[in-house]
Amino acid sequence: SQKIEQNSEALNIQEGKTATLTCNYTNYSPAYLQWYRQDPGRGPVFLLLIRENEKEKRKERLKVTFDTTLKQSLFHITASQPADSATYLCALDIPPSNTGKLIFGQGTTLQVKP
Amino acid sequence: DAGVIQSPRHEVTEMGQEVTLRCKPISGHDYLFWYRQTMMRGLELLIYFNNNVPIDDSGMPEDRFSAKMPNASFSTLKIQPSEPRDSAVYFCASSRRQNTEAFFGQGTRLTVV
Repeated sequence: SQKIEQNSEALNIQEGKTATLTCNYTNYSPAYLQWYRQDPGRGPVFLLLIRENEKEKRKERLKVTFDTTLKQSLFHITASQPADSATYLCALDIPPSNTGKLIFGQGTTLQVKP
Repeated sequence: DAGVIQSPRHEVTEMGQEVTLRCKPISGHDYLFWYRQTMMRGLELLIYFNNNVPIDDSGMPEDRFSAKMPNASFSTLKIQPSEPRDSAVYFCASSRRQNTEAFFGQGTRLTVV
């Protein structure tokens, strides 16, 4: 079955630096991959979606890459701010594709220090 | 739109009791998902609906769990009888169509004592 691995250890960085979070998966390559942000006591909030034929996608200070050869997605936050502190989840679609069914990684907690 | 609305926000119940969680998806969304989140297992998909029809319930842990979607604006997740290991945060999410972003509710924190 498909497995998703995100760094379970918290990532601590200084304000202004670039945060890079990793999402690795096994077995088949998904048709698309999504990143979500989750704050304590709240539901996940969608950030970005990248498709298998896209190498990179950007939205403001966020950038996502998708390497189907390495079976890896990288999520970057440039010029990080304390307000970016949260848990970030990656999610993949499950076959058959185009059903909207997703599996989520465990998430990586990011702490941005002023 | 107010987003996905779940109720109650918190539920504390005794083992053996029936628990019903409720969800109102965003109007116009064709897909509805029920997830469970725990520290140990993360966010797990339990069941999802497309146009009110259950499509995949392979994530439902046991027969004690059941879900319904009687119309496009309402869904329930029922646990009967509840057990302490069912304690978790249950999220409902909806999306407009496949391959698009999912909108999550605030979740219901269930504690079974």
